[in-house]
Amino acid sequence: DIQMTQSPSSLSASVGDRVTITCRASQSIRSYLHWYQQRPGKAPKLLIYAASSLQSGVPSRFSGSGSGTDFTLTISSLQPEDFATYYCQQSYSTPRTFGQGTKVEIK
Amino acid sequence: QVQLQESGPGLVKPSQTLSLTCTVSGDSISSDSCYWSWLRQPAGKGLEWIGRIYTSGSTNYNPSLKSRVTISVDTSKNQFSLNLSSVTAADTAVYYCAREARGPSVAGTGYFYYYMDVWGKGTTVTVSS
Repeated sequence: DIQMTQSPSSLSASVGDRVTITCRASQSIRSYLHWYQQRPGKAPKLLIYAASSLQSGVPSRFSGSGSGTDFTLTISSLQPEDFATYYCQQSYSTPRTFGQGTKVEIK
Repeated sequence: QVQLQESGPGLVKPSQTLSLTCTVSGDSISSDSCYWSWLRQPAGKGLEWIGRIYTSGSTNYNPSLKSRVTISVDTSKNQFSLNLSSVTAADTAVYYCAREARGPSVAGTGYFYYYMDVWGKGTTVTVSS
């Protein structure tokens, strides 16, 4: 199985801050990397697919980059509705695997 | 608008079989451009992929659960189902069904990106006597 490791596990930030979350794969996954947002009590929501493509309807303050083993999710200006947990997920192979999540909390 | 809805018992006894169904609306489960997946999330923990099925009936399972999992599809009802046998308290979780859609092709490979773009709301299953 491909192991996905996110950092940090949690962070505190203020509205308007720039936030960066990293995800590292245990082997190269090219660009088969996707990002999801999960608000408390809700299902995950796709934000970014193929490492850097913005899913339809997702605000442009979200962006993704990277390839191979190292990836980044950036929120350019944190909004109140962005306080949530973020997961990366690889689709290079099965079983599909997720990072452990990064919880973004209000400072 | 594609929607997925999980249904099934919220309480299952240890050693019994957990059975859930996902009803798909707004898309055909016979589509050749996606897989239909099951995932779960224990309270306060991360996401675990259980497995997926293609319209042909072809399946992929997580090796950690493979001996206990069966995913099936009913095209006449536009549904797919999960059976997880010999459950224990460790199987207590929110269970999600999701569509893993085929996205753009990967440049120079002939392969495609697949990602989970539509999710059900989730259903809580507790394993307890």
